Amino acid sequence: EIVLTQSPGTLSLSPGERATLSCRASQSISRNYLAWYQQKPGQAPRLLIYGASSRATGVPDRFSGSGSGTDITLTISRLEPEDFAVYYCQQYVSSPWTFGQGTKVEFK
Amino acid sequence: QIQLLQSGAELRKPGASVKVSCKGSGYTFTRYGISWLRLAPGQRPEWIGWIGTYNGQTNYAQNLQGRVSLTTDTSTNTAYMEVRSLRSNDTAIYYCARGMSTIFGVVLDVWGQGTLVTVSS
Repeated sequence: EIVLTQSPGTLSLSPGERATLSCRASQSISRNYLAWYQQKPGQAPRLLIYGASSRATGVPDRFSGSGSGTDITLTISRLEPEDFAVYYCQQYVSSPWTFGQGTKVEFK
Repeated sequence: QIQLLQSGAELRKPGASVKVSCKGSGYTFTRYGISWLRLAPGQRPEWIGWIGTYNGQTNYAQNLQGRVSLTTDTSTNTAYMEVRSLRSNDTAIYYCARGMSTIFGVVLDVWGQGTLVTVSS
């Protein structure tokens, strides 16, 4: 089973700032089968990024994914008020699909 | 509008079973598989399994294998997840999600609203 470790656990930032979220895998994720999700309180997760760097439909271009192998990054270039949420990375290259423990982006 | 609509919250005693439904609308149901996942308080999301809505093929996570069954009814565009022999640590919000095929594999692009399952004596 591939274990995903996200860092930091919490990111305290202000609107307009840049957010950099990290996801490290216990083994290389081939074919970049890595996704990022955003979850707000009381809502289901929302797909942001798949294939490590492809934005899902309707996702603003301030969200970008990069990296490969074992180190993947989600960057939010300029935080908007609606971006404060929990973010999860997920690998779907091998069963069982697994998730990171999440990074909470909170208001500073 | 593409959506997955799940059944309402459930309360069960330990040892009982629960069956959650997930009705797809706004798209051709049999062209996309359905995954089930759960999120317990303070835990990371956990993938439960996958069902191919066209052929009923399933793939289960080992953690719940033997206690969970995934089925579909294509006449009503509905997927079902049943969990048996419930334990207190099965308390979680359960989600269904549509699997979309991309050049980067199958990704979960549309999610149901979630169903809270509480297991308590």
